[in-house]
Amino acid sequence: QKEVEQNSGPLSVPEGAIASLNCTYSDRGSQSFFWYRQYSGKSPELIMSIYSNGDKEDGRFTAQLNKASQYVSLLIRDSQPSDSATYLCAVKGRITNAGKSTFGDGTTLTVKP
Amino acid sequence: GAGVSQSPRYKVAKRGQDVALRCDPISGHVSLFWYQQALGQGPEFLTYFQNEAQLDKSGLPSDRFFAERPEGSVSTLKIQRTQQEDSAVYLCASSPPGGKNTGELFFGEGSRLTVL
Repeated sequence: QKEVEQNSGPLSVPEGAIASLNCTYSDRGSQSFFWYRQYSGKSPELIMSIYSNGDKEDGRFTAQLNKASQYVSLLIRDSQPSDSATYLCAVKGRITNAGKSTFGDGTTLTVKP
Repeated sequence: GAGVSQSPRYKVAKRGQDVALRCDPISGHVSLFWYQQALGQGPEFLTYFQNEAQLDKSGLPSDRFFAERPEGSVSTLKIQRTQQEDSAVYLCASSPPGGKNTGELFFGEGSRLTVL
């Protein structure tokens, strides 16, 4: 079992819909959680970070964290074709800046016009 | 530039050759990470520096892989006697000092290595 699990997809949604991306992790000591977007042939780009239970909203993006269930999700409202990319979930063990992030294999999202 | 800079962007090596990949992090970022990304997979951790100290090298796949950051800024990942399974994109990322946004990674464009 991988430390960070994501559905590989592909996930396809129509333009304007809500896209829901899910991630589970195995290390209960994890403290920091991130979503990165990666366009084909490009490097990952940070879009959201979340450190405490609950929801965090930034524009059309909402990250949700449930540490008891070891679950983190990303909602994209009003999805646009430009949101078509692979979304990587990453988890870090300690609240300090030290230490690595562990990535899932990503979920590929396609937004159809 | 303002971002993480990596070179070369593309490298083709014959099996058995040595390669060196360079990373210049964002100014002021003390933490620097190397990741390896195979096609269709997420980035896999290789090694991590805080300033010039290599604090974690648990992800380096073999003793053919070596990384250094002698002055706490630019880092070099060296792969000796390359093998075909080393073909991947090598990503460098830097992270700002601790504070509100701890652990956020800022990636360079990557170095794509192809071993023939």
